[in-house]
Amino acid sequence: SQELEQSPQSLIVQEGKNLTINCTSSKTLYGLYWYKQKYGEGLIFLMMLQKGGEEKSHEKITAKLDEKKQQSSLHITASQPSHAGIYLCGAPLSGYSTLTFGKGTMLLVSP
Amino acid sequence: NAGVTQTPKFQVLKTGQSMTLQCAQDMNHEYMSWYRQDPGMGLRLIHYSVGAGITDQGEVPNGYNVSRSTTEDFPLRLLSAAPSQTSVYFCASSDPTGVRTEAFFGQGTRLTVV
Repeated sequence: SQELEQSPQSLIVQEGKNLTINCTSSKTLYGLYWYKQKYGEGLIFLMMLQKGGEEKSHEKITAKLDEKKQQSSLHITASQPSHAGIYLCGAPLSGYSTLTFGKGTMLLVSP
Repeated sequence: NAGVTQTPKFQVLKTGQSMTLQCAQDMNHEYMSWYRQDPGMGLRLIHYSVGAGITDQGEVPNGYNVSRSTTEDFPLRLLSAAPSQTSVYFCASSDPTGVRTEAFFGQGTRLTVV
């Protein structure tokens, strides 16, 4: 089974709408990283969460970490076409030397 | 800063051919990793290194070799290419003990094996 489960797998939202992507771990989370990927490109780092209850925001994107639930959420407010892409969560589940990733959530923003 | 540089960006190989995917970073990171990305499978770890001279296997190491002779470079070798190795390959580097602990990724190498 997947150690990091992301939901939903894909999402189409109308421009201006809010959305949430979830990342649930089967193991204890000692930190979680959110990345964004545009088609054909590399991964761009968005945010890192380290402590339970931690919440970070950058522009219209907010991420939270719920350590007890072993879950993180990524919330986008008033989505724009520039938010379209694949969002991936990653966590150091097998020691601190590497990250395990979820399968990603593909976001499309329609005009 | 260049960050993490991967070459080539695209490559087509015939079954049975060998090749090396290059990865270089200029951030003096000790940790480097190779992932492959396939539709519906997400990113899967192939090999990783925690410093020069030290490498270890990840989730899907079969058919690939790595070495780490310098801090900067971490090449990935395909010994005898198979169609199942058609994928997008990403190299990443990080410094888990630094101020910024996130992994930095290269732009990827899109490999097709025919």
